[in-house]
Amino acid sequence: AQKITQTQPGMFVQEKEAVTLDCTYDTSDPSYGLFWYKQPSSGEMIFLIYQGSYDQQNATEGRYSLNFQKARKSANLVISASQLGDSAMYFCAMRDGQGAQKLVFGQGTRLTINP
Amino acid sequence: GAGVSQSPSNKVTEKGKDVELRCDPISGHTALYWYRQRLGQGLEFLIYFQGNSAPDKSGLPSDRFSAERTGESVSTLTIQRTQQEDSAVYLCASSLAGGPINIQYFGAGTRLSVL
Repeated sequence: AQKITQTQPGMFVQEKEAVTLDCTYDTSDPSYGLFWYKQPSSGEMIFLIYQGSYDQQNATEGRYSLNFQKARKSANLVISASQLGDSAMYFCAMRDGQGAQKLVFGQGTRLTINP
Repeated sequence: GAGVSQSPSNKVTEKGKDVELRCDPISGHTALYWYRQRLGQGLEFLIYFQGNSAPDKSGLPSDRFSAERTGESVSTLTIQRTQQEDSAVYLCASSLAGGPINIQYFGAGTRLSVL
C-alpha cells in the first residue's frame, strides 16, 4: 500500500530564508505522481507542484522546487526566499499509476514564517 | 472561471441526524473526489466519480456514508445517523479526466460538527 511520511510537524523560518519540507513515500508501483499542496488557515487546498516518477528533472514552479531523490523515495519541497504569506500547512501526496485516481496524503507540516 | 464550490461552509448537527453536503465542481471537470480531514490530520480519500463509470467507493468508512453525482455536475455526500467521530472537514475536489498529471483542485470544504 502507498504511504506518505512527513516527519516535521512544525517548522519555523525567518522571512527571506529558504526552507525545505521533507516528504518520503513508499510504493511498489514504478509509475506514480507526487504532489505538494498548501493549506492556509482559510482551509482550501492549493496545488503547488507536481513530480512524475519518470521525470528526468526536478520540478520547479516559481519559488517552489522539488528535490526528487527516487532511490531514497523522497520528494522534499524547497521554498526559496520565504514570505510571510507562506505560513500555512503543507501536504505531500501521491497517486500511483495503476488507474487509481485517489491521492494519499501525509500528515502535513505547519510552516511559520517569522518577520 | 469559478473554482470548486462547496456548501454549506459550516454545518452543526445533533448526533443521530442525517446531513447532506454539496459540491459543485469546476465546469468541464469530469472527475470528482470527496476527502475527509480530521482535526490536525491529512486528508483521507472517501469516494471518486469519473463520468458514467461506477464510482470508487473504497474509502467510505461505513454504510452510513453515501454519495451521488448527477452526470458531470453536482455531487452530494450524505451521512446518515451522524456520530461524533464524523466531525471533520469534508473536502471536495475535481479534475480533468485522463492525462498523466491529473491535478485535483479543491474547494474550501464543509466543516461538520456533530454535537
